[in-house]
Amino acid sequence: AQKVTQAQTEISVVEKEDVTLDCVYETRDTTYYLFWYKQPPSGELVFLIRRNSFDEQNEISGRYSWNFQKSTSSFNFTITASQVVDSAVYFCALSEFVGNEKLTFGTGTRLTIIP
Amino acid sequence: NAGVTQTPKFQVLKTGQSMTLQCAQDMNHEYMSWYRQDPGMGLRLIHYSVGAGITDQGEVPNGYNVSRSTTEDFPLRLLSAAPSQTSVYFCASRYRDSEQYFGPGTRLTVT
Repeated sequence: AQKVTQAQTEISVVEKEDVTLDCVYETRDTTYYLFWYKQPPSGELVFLIRRNSFDEQNEISGRYSWNFQKSTSSFNFTITASQVVDSAVYFCALSEFVGNEKLTFGTGTRLTIIP
Repeated sequence: NAGVTQTPKFQVLKTGQSMTLQCAQDMNHEYMSWYRQDPGMGLRLIHYSVGAGITDQGEVPNGYNVSRSTTEDFPLRLLSAAPSQTSVYFCASRYRDSEQYFGPGTRLTVT
């Protein structure tokens, strides 16, 4: 069975600090996909990134970066120079193949950026 | 495009009442899904559809029915509401191998 663990329930940092959100996953599949979603206070779910199990290259998008390590089954998300608008709940998710309806979500990490 | 729309945004039901949560998308996506979000539990899949006329159960299907008569619409029916169904419900859609696009959610309270 698939499982996603986000051990950090809540994190608070002061604006402009860097912050890393941890995600550890379990799966028996050799092909799988990992996702990060953002849920701001308004409640909608915003897609951030999708990564397949064959691509371990780190990815950077502006202030966001993702570190995928199959050896430790982790897919961590770092925000550099955090801003108040980054305050949200962040979910890590796993699926057997891209677009599989059966996304397994972690329980989320609530990130608060203190001005 | 309006994307994925859900109605209503908020709903309060009494135990035993029935209702339908509406979901529509205008992106011609083949795949549609319903998730529920509960505190401390992330999102869990209720039902999904891979095309008009085809539906299947997810992780937590009990107490819910779905149908998919058109590509655009995927309503979720609560036959006899229970307090355990108090949750935030999200509809999602996608096209083949794209990521899921989520609707804004429906907050349901069952008293």
